[in-house]
Parts: sequence; structure tokens; C-alpha cells
Amino acid sequence: EDKVVQSPLSLVVHEGDTVTLNCSYEVTNFRSLLWYKQEKKAPTFLFMLTSSGIEKKSGRLSSILDKKELFSILNITATQTGDSAIYLCAVRSNSGYSTLTFGKGTMLLVSP
Amino acid sequence: NAGVTQTPKFQVLKTGQSMTLQCAQDMNHEYMSWYRQDPGMGLRLIHYSVGAGITDQGEVPNGYNVSRSTTEDFPLRLLSAAPSQTSVYFCASSSPGAPLDTQYFGPGTRLTVL
Repeated sequence: EDKVVQSPLSLVVHEGDTVTLNCSYEVTNFRSLLWYKQEKKAPTFLFMLTSSGIEKKSGRLSSILDKKELFSILNITATQTGDSAIYLCAVRSNSGYSTLTFGKGTMLLVSP
Repeated sequence: NAGVTQTPKFQVLKTGQSMTLQCAQDMNHEYMSWYRQDPGMGLRLIHYSVGAGITDQGEVPNGYNVSRSTTEDFPLRLLSAAPSQTSVYFCASSSPGAPLDTQYFGPGTRLTVL
């Protein structure tokens, strides 16, 4: 059974801090790992990672995958109050339909 | 191009009532899924479909039925609602081999069962 574990489950930081969110996984026949940001409604896509060591970057957010150690991190630098959200990590396998298996998420609160 | 739409946005049911949550997408996606999201539990897959006429169970299928008569629509039926089905329900669609290999989510339906 595919499994995704995110840590921490919740985090409170001050504006301007840098945060690192963790995602470890166990999946049969790994295909990709995805990060989503969820504010009040549906999750919105951030990054997809398929290869080890390649950093994906978008503004203050970046993510990297370690396929050997089976984890990914999501970094947010110079945090802003608008970064407050639940961050979801999901993995997709190459098996059959290759459904997404989600972690429970990390709730990030950035205080002014 | 509306993407993935869900109706209703909110619903309150009494225990034992039945209802259908609607989901439609206009992106000609083959794959569609239903998830429920509960506090501290993340998103859990209920049922999914890889094309019209084909459905399969996900992680938490009990108490829910689905059908896929067209590519566009993927309704989720609660046959006899229970308080344990109080949750936020998300429908998602994707296309195999899509460049971003991601799923597009609908806005969600918040369901309360009393």
C-alpha cells in the first residue's frame, strides 16, 4: 500500500522566516511526487518532481526530491502571510490508473 | 473552459437521506476521481474512473456509488447518508500523459450529515 507522511503537521512562523516542509513516501513503482497548496478551497498545483536532485523553483518556493532516501522537501523563503495554507504532498505510481496518494498535509501559519 | 465544476457547494442532510454530488469537466479528461477531505486525514480517494463506463473503488468506497455514462460527468451518490460522511468532497480530473501529470480539482462540496 502506498504511503505518504508529511511533517510537521502544523507550523507557525513569523513573516520573513524560511520554512522547510518534509514529505517521505513509500510507493510501488514510483512515477512522480507533487506538491499542492490549499487555502480555502481546492488544492492548487505547485510542483511536480520526477528525478532526484533537480530543484524546482518558483519565486520564493522551491522543492527537491531524493529518490534514494524516498523524500522531498518544500522550502519557502521570506515567508509572507499569504503563504498561510495547507501544503499537500502526493505521490503517483506507474501502476494501473496511477492514482494520487496524499499525505495528511502541513498546516502553515505565517504571523505578521 | 470552466474546468472542473461541482454542485452543490454546500449541503445539509439528515441521517438516512440520499443525494447525488455532481461533478463535470469540460477538458475531455479520461480520468476522474472523487476524494473526501477530513481534518487530520488528508485527501482520501473514494472512487475513480479511467473512462466512460469504467469505475473502480478507491481507499474509502463504502457508502458511496458512482457511475460514468459520459466522459464529462462523474456523479457521486450517497445512498443512505451517515454522520461519518460529513466531509468536504473534491472531484478531480486528469488526462494520462498530460504535461504536468497533475489533477485538476473542482471547488469542493461541503456536506454535513446530521
